[in-house]
Amino acid sequence: GENVEQHPSTLSVQEGDSAVIKCTYSDSASNYFPWYKQELGKRPQLIIDIRSNVGEKKDQRIAVTLNKTAKHFSLHITETQPEDSAVYFCAASIRAGETSGSRLTFGEGTQLTVNP
Amino acid sequence: DAGVIQSPRHEVTEMGQEVTLRCKPISGHDYLFWYRQTMMRGLELLIYFNNNVPIDDSGMPEDRFSAKMPNASFSTLKIQPSEPRDSAVYFCASSSGRDYTFGSGTRLTVV
Repeated sequence: GENVEQHPSTLSVQEGDSAVIKCTYSDSASNYFPWYKQELGKRPQLIIDIRSNVGEKKDQRIAVTLNKTAKHFSLHITETQPEDSAVYFCAASIRAGETSGSRLTFGEGTQLTVNP
Repeated sequence: DAGVIQSPRHEVTEMGQEVTLRCKPISGHDYLFWYRQTMMRGLELLIYFNNNVPIDDSGMPEDRFSAKMPNASFSTLKIQPSEPRDSAVYFCASSSGRDYTFGSGTRLTVV
């Protein structure tokens, strides 16, 4: 089955700096790669996702890149703010189509701390 | 849509008691997942269903745990008897082709 590894497990940055979290996956058939943000005491929430037919996707200060050949993908947060502090999870899955759900395999999470 | 609804939000019970956690997935979602989250073990997948049928329960820690999905709009996770090491936050999530959404979780404390 799929195996997702995530690094680093903890990341501390100064406000305004960039943060990068990296994940690798094992199953070359995986084609959907979401990122979740979990604030303390709350549920994981989807912040951005990417499918295998694109190499990069951006949404304001957040971007995700995908290298299918190397089987790794990364989350980039620019101009970090204290409210970005949370645990971030990457995930991978094989999505058969646009109507059916799928099982996600999650990385172990990265605790990001943005220091004011 | 109200999202994935879990109940109760918090549960405190004594060791040995039966605990039932409930989940209502988003209407139209064909997958439902139960996770357990602890500081030590992170986010663990316990079991998941596709169209109400259990697909993979290999994450269920032991026979004390059981899960059912009698229809498309309801699932339960039961622990009997409960033990202090079962204390954790239990999340339910549901998925469709475009969406994978977590509920707010149930914080279980077994004393």
